[in-house]
Amino acid sequence: AQTVTQSQPEMSVQEAETVTLSCTYDTSENNYYLFWYKQPPSRQMILVIRQEAYKQQNATENRFSVNFQKAAKSFSLKISDSQLGDTAMYFCAFISNFGNEKLTFGTGTRLTIIP
Amino acid sequence: NAGVTQTPKFQVLKTGQSMTLQCAQDMNHNSMYWYRQDPGMGLRLIYYSASEGTTDKGEVPNGYNVSRLNKREFSLRLESAAPSQTSVYFCASSKPGTGVSGELFFGEGSRLTVL
Repeated sequence: AQTVTQSQPEMSVQEAETVTLSCTYDTSENNYYLFWYKQPPSRQMILVIRQEAYKQQNATENRFSVNFQKAAKSFSLKISDSQLGDTAMYFCAFISNFGNEKLTFGTGTRLTIIP
Repeated sequence: NAGVTQTPKFQVLKTGQSMTLQCAQDMNHNSMYWYRQDPGMGLRLIYYSASEGTTDKGEVPNGYNVSRLNKREFSLRLESAAPSQTSVYFCASSKPGTGVSGELFFGEGSRLTVL
């Protein structure tokens, strides 16, 4: 079974600074997808960024980028120029590419951006 | 553009009462899911439906039943509610095999309190 671990329950950073959220996972599979989801106080789950395991290039979406280390099974999220609207819970998630479409989530990191 | 709609948004039950959470999606997705979110636990899969007429247990199915009524609708029923089922419940949907494997679209969540 796959597991996803987020070791930072809470983090805070000053507005405009850069912050990195950590995620590690455990799987025996070679093909899979990794995700970061954001959950603001509104409770709505929003996809932030996605990484396909077969791609060596790290995914980027505007101020959000990942550091994907497949051998180390590490998938961290970097938020640059942080904004107040980035305050949210962030969940790392994993899914296999073998027809099992069940997403496994980590326990989340609560990020607070300080004005 | 409704996406995934779940009702009710809030519900208070007494121990032993029953209720059904309704979920509908208008994106023609094949797969639908029910997750529960508890503090420090992340999101845990309760039940999953890969297509109309099929359902599969997730990580925490005990105390729940589901019905995939048609392609659009996937309901979650608590037959005899217990305080341990106090949680926020999320319905989600996805369309596997379209090149965006694993991207789930979530409803806004339903907060259930069992007294």
